[in-house]
Amino acid sequence: AQKVTQAQTEISVVEKEDVTLDCVYETRDTTYYLFWYKQPPSGELVFLIRRNSFDEQNEISGRYSWNFQKSTSSFNFTITASQVVDSAVYFCALSDYMEYGNKLVFGAGTILRVKS
Amino acid sequence: DAMVIQNPRYQVTQFGKPVTLSCSQTLNHNVMYWYQQKSSQAPKLLFHYYDKDFNNEADTPDNFQSRRPNTSFCFLDIRSPGLGDAAMYLCATSRESAERGSTDTQYFGPGTRLTVL
Repeated sequence: AQKVTQAQTEISVVEKEDVTLDCVYETRDTTYYLFWYKQPPSGELVFLIRRNSFDEQNEISGRYSWNFQKSTSSFNFTITASQVVDSAVYFCALSDYMEYGNKLVFGAGTILRVKS
Repeated sequence: DAMVIQNPRYQVTQFGKPVTLSCSQTLNHNVMYWYQQKSSQAPKLLFHYYDKDFNNEADTPDNFQSRRPNTSFCFLDIRSPGLGDAAMYLCATSRESAERGSTDTQYFGPGTRLTVL
């Protein structure tokens, strides 16, 4: 069965610090997808990134970067020079195939608090 | 802008009084999902539709039903809400996965926060 572990329940940083959110996953599938979503206090889940299992290149988008390492089953997320607006709950998720569509198996989430 | 819309954003109902939550989308996606997210927990899939084909998760209580009258709209009906059903309900959409291993991104609406008194 698919499983996602986000061991960090809560992280607090001061603005402009870099912060890394950890994600470790378990799957028996050879083809799978990993996602990160941001959930601000308003409640909406905001899509950040999708990565398939065959693409191990790291990705950078502005202050956000992702490190995918298949050898350790990890898909970590780093925010550089954090800002107060980055405060949110961040979920890592793993796709679980269904006949049509896909089920997302979420980790428990990491609460990020960025203080000014 | 193409998007997923949920109404209402906040819903208060009484114990045992049926309630309906709605979701609409302008993305023209084939698949629509309903997730339940209880306080400080991860979202949990209740069921999903591929077009009009309904797919229930094995552990979704019978108290939860859904309707999808057309591609754009999907409803979540809670027949007899209990205190344990208080949660955020999230609707999401994605394109069809044409083959195993092909997975599109799910786009979520803002959610409806349900309070049961």
